[in-house]
Amino acid sequence: ETGVTQTPRHLVMGMTNKKSLKCEQHLGHNAMYWYKQSAKKPLELMFVYNFKEQTENNSVPSRFSPECPNSSHLFLHLHTLQPEDSALYLCASRRDSSNEQFFGPGTRLTVL
Amino acid sequence: LAKTTQPISMDSYEGQEVNITCSHNNIATNDYITWYQQFPSQGPRFIIQGYKTKVTNEVASLFIPADRKSSTLSLPRVSLSDTAVYYCLVVFLGGNQGGKLIFGQGTELSVKP
Repeated sequence: ETGVTQTPRHLVMGMTNKKSLKCEQHLGHNAMYWYKQSAKKPLELMFVYNFKEQTENNSVPSRFSPECPNSSHLFLHLHTLQPEDSALYLCASRRDSSNEQFFGPGTRLTVL
Repeated sequence: LAKTTQPISMDSYEGQEVNITCSHNNIATNDYITWYQQFPSQGPRFIIQGYKTKVTNEVASLFIPADRKSSTLSLPRVSLSDTAVYYCLVVFLGGNQGGKLIFGQGTELSVKP
């Protein structure tokens, strides 16, 4: 238990669906991250938020849309995904004074 | 950002000491060396971090030579539950890029009975 929660833990969606992934932390961390982990590939950084402001978009397709309404919550809105987007999506958070990231358990996404 | 190179996989037996070496030839002055552990279908978990010489905590030790171009994660007396992927990362601490993690392939450690 890292203090970072993600919902849902598993999600199956069609290519025309719209869904959202949620990440929540009450650790007092100000930086939050989305990562994608495909089978047999390294974790890929997708988005970085610092104090609710997006500071990095790692060339992620627009069918992934992040939202950070406050420092405790991070969303990833999904629409018109492709089967190759199937992966484990991980959220992480970090306190300003440290570079240790706390990861959530991830959402296992399957796009049919 | 510094790139790291580490073995793809390692095998060990319960009770042995495991040393995983990582090379990071382009490490910068403000970079820290950090190791994460990941079990299947879980997020990575921070193990240890160091800048130079040796760091030890309740889980592992980290050895860093003076030139900082490599580092070795040492796991004492591994058990079956240490079977996981271990990632070596160099992390810049500071500014907007602070804490940014770039993951490589990691080392898949398999501990056998």
